[in-house]
Amino acid sequence: NAGVTQTPKFQVLKTGQSMTLQCAQDMNHNSMYWYRQDPGMGLRLIYYSASEGTTDKGEVPNGYNVSRLNKREFSLRLESAAPSQTSVYFCASSWGHGYTFGSGTRLTVV
Amino acid sequence: RKEVEQDPGPFNVPEGATVAFNCTYSNSASQSFFWYRQDCRKEPKLLMSVYSSGNEDGRFTAQLNRASQYISLLIRDSKLSDSATYLCVVNIPFGNEKLTFGTGTRLTIIP
Repeated sequence: NAGVTQTPKFQVLKTGQSMTLQCAQDMNHNSMYWYRQDPGMGLRLIYYSASEGTTDKGEVPNGYNVSRLNKREFSLRLESAAPSQTSVYFCASSWGHGYTFGSGTRLTVV
Repeated sequence: RKEVEQDPGPFNVPEGATVAFNCTYSNSASQSFFWYRQDCRKEPKLLMSVYSSGNEDGRFTAQLNRASQYISLLIRDSKLSDSATYLCVVNIPFGNEKLTFGTGTRLTIIP
């Protein structure tokens, strides 16, 4: 049982480049989330998806887009990366309030 | 005011000691409360839920005070392996399953 799988684990981008962070869960959870974590800021919600086919903005959605491809997969896209998007990104899924997180993606934008 | 506030620490505690963290939350309509643990450069993991009556899991005790809107975590007989950041987490009322995470309290257990 893999839980929540995120790829890639590390990425360096140049300003203006685009990339997609992939997330998949095998727990049959309806809800999925993307967070970013910065020093002193804690975990901040970027986007979430309450069910397949639905997505909603969180606290810090600007500069990001998401796709809930099916029940298992929820991807996060940076269309034009900026240095302010340097962060650790976590995907999570939940049933009720029990969240399971992926191992994170460390993204640096230079 | 932040939705969830925690003392960031760090707390440096000798092995075997008892340590307690508090956390306050701003939305009185919140109904679900949790402590998550996050090891350095790892993902957060659920440590325990916090119930109104208080609950215990081995060396860990969590308590909720709704009147004062604070949550506590007590760790007894601390072990080196307890070194981590502890995140206080509260549900967003009427927000489906969404949670608000505190910034965390860093704990280091000293041999």
